[in-house]
This record gives sequence, C-alpha cells and structure tokens, in this order.
Amino acid sequence: GAVVSQHPSRVICKSGTSVKIECRSLDFQATTMFWYRQFPKQSLMLMATSNEGSKATYEQGVEKDKFLINHASLTLSTLTVTSAHPEDSSFYICSATRPGASNTEAFFGQGTRLTVV
Amino acid sequence: QKEVEQDPGPLSVPEGAIVSLNCTYSNSAFQYFMWYRQYSRKGPELLMYTYSSGNKEDGRFTAQVDKSSKYISLFIRDSQPSDSATYLCAMSPYSSASKIIFGSGTRLSIRP
Repeated sequence: GAVVSQHPSRVICKSGTSVKIECRSLDFQATTMFWYRQFPKQSLMLMATSNEGSKATYEQGVEKDKFLINHASLTLSTLTVTSAHPEDSSFYICSATRPGASNTEAFFGQGTRLTVV
Repeated sequence: QKEVEQDPGPLSVPEGAIVSLNCTYSNSAFQYFMWYRQYSRKGPELLMYTYSSGNKEDGRFTAQVDKSSKYISLFIRDSQPSDSATYLCAMSPYSSASKIIFGSGTRLSIRP
C-alpha cells in the first residue's frame, strides 16, 4: 500500500508554545490530505481537509486560527497547533488518498502524540 | 444515536479462534465500507474495503456487508497474537475521504 509518514511521532511542549506536525506522502503525490484527532478509546474525528495550493477546509467546531494547516506541495502537509494548551493534548493523525484510487481508500500516517504541559 | 456503533470490547480469544467483529449503522446512504487495524500508538492501517453489499475475502480476513440490516462484519480466521489490535470500522456515503465516519474501535486480544 501507499506510504504516509508523519513526524514527529511524539512531542511534549509547554503551554503557550506552538507545535508543527508534518505529514508526507512518500511514494505518491497527494492533492488532498486529511487531519484527524483521536482521544483515547474514541473514534477518529476529522478536523480539516488540506488541499494543495489552497486553503484548508475545516470541520465545524475546529478553530482555524488554532490549528493552522499548510499544504505547500503535493507530498507535504503541515498542521501547526498554535498557543497550545493542555486540552490540546491528543493523538493527531493525517491521511492521504492516492490519485487514481477510490477517494475512500485513505492511507494513514503513524500519528503524533502531543502532550502539552 | 451515533451514526456508527461499534462495541469497544475488549474482546479476548485464544490463538487459532475465529474472530467476529461487527458494526451497525443508521445512515442508509452509506455505500463504502472499510475496516482498519490500529496498533497501540500507531495510525490506522486499511485492511478491507468494500463497496455496497456482499462479501470480500483477503487471506484470513473476510468482510461482510448487509445493507438491509445496516450491519457489517469482519471475520478473522486462524487468529494470531499479532492480530491483537484495535479494529475500526468506517463507512462513507460517497467516494470521498472527507465523508468517512469511523466507529470507536474494538480492542481485540489474541491469547497465545
């Protein structure tokens, strides 16, 4: 299957600082990437859809200024959690769909465990 | 009522057993059905993908979709300890990843 790499896998930051998470498609060009948040023992919740070269589309209830998404190239999307607070601590996961395949066959990164102290 | 319901488990079975994992859903518009496997602290891995009703088999895994009952299943034959993980069902009404709704996952443990 397609490979999506996410970095870092784990990060601890101080409250009030910003954290950037990278999502790369390693063996295909992804015009669209997706960012999810997952709380313990809960399902993945879509935060935003990241489109290469245009603004991200955010789901209802997700603060655009809090979670900045940049999809500058066909293989890289970044999520920046700005002014992080302890309630932002969570597991963040990106995914991408491969051109030519069904748009529902999403391939996920390994996730980033964010802890805000 | 959630759109997708999945028993969180945990489900513990002995090695070699047949495992049955299930999800129910309420939205009759769902057409695309997926099963993901997620190991602890890792991202989900796509296991099975099915369009509309019917069965699909891939090695030890079989996915079933019964749209009349709004019920999907994943069967694992000859279960192995390495199958121990959380299994997420997911579904979508359209061919669009932005519309995928995930179940909360079932934790499965295979005892050696």
